[in-house]
Amino acid sequence: AQKVTQAQTEISVVEKEDVTLDCVYETRDTTYYLFWYKQPPSGELVFLIRRNSFDEQNEISGRYSWNFQKSTSSFNFTITASQVVDSAVYFCALGGYQKVTFGIGTKLQVIP
Amino acid sequence: GAVVSQHPSWVICKSGTSVKIECRSLDFQATTMFWYRQFPKQSLMLMATSNEGSKATYEQGVEKDKFLINHASLTLSTLTVTSAHPEDSSFYICSAGTGAYSNQPQHFGDGTRLSIL
Repeated sequence: AQKVTQAQTEISVVEKEDVTLDCVYETRDTTYYLFWYKQPPSGELVFLIRRNSFDEQNEISGRYSWNFQKSTSSFNFTITASQVVDSAVYFCALGGYQKVTFGIGTKLQVIP
Repeated sequence: GAVVSQHPSWVICKSGTSVKIECRSLDFQATTMFWYRQFPKQSLMLMATSNEGSKATYEQGVEKDKFLINHASLTLSTLTVTSAHPEDSSFYICSAGTGAYSNQPQHFGDGTRLSIL
């Protein structure tokens, strides 16, 4: 069975602070994918990143960075110099062929 | 980038009404589309996977006679909530993948908020 744990249900930071959102996953598959999505208050889901299980290279995209560590089954997401527009619910997800399991989400509030 | 359009964005209707939600891939062909349901402050729960030209695959616990899914073309999938009741009120969102990841829910529609009175 697949499982995604986002232990932080809500986080509040002051603007310009860095923040890391944790994601721990469980799977028996040797090939799998990891995702991060952003859901702002308006409700739509925005795809941020997909990582396959064979690629542990960390990735940076602007203020966003992701740390994938298979040894600890973690795929953490860091926002550097947070902005108010980053306020949203962030979902980590795990998928194999077709089926994707979402974590419960972490609500991030960035305070001006 | 790939765009998924979902319509309507908000529906309010009386109990017993059937409601159809459309999900369209605007600039790509989607052989597979995914339908999710999200309750307030909760995660997305996969309801079913729809494949163009074949029957949808429903997740355990999802009533296929209640939630009818049709994927008649490569750009359109529909979810019909039949004889809707207040407990069906939720946020429904569809998704599709493109290219090499056509079997993954990469791009999402904006969702449909369904309120049954």
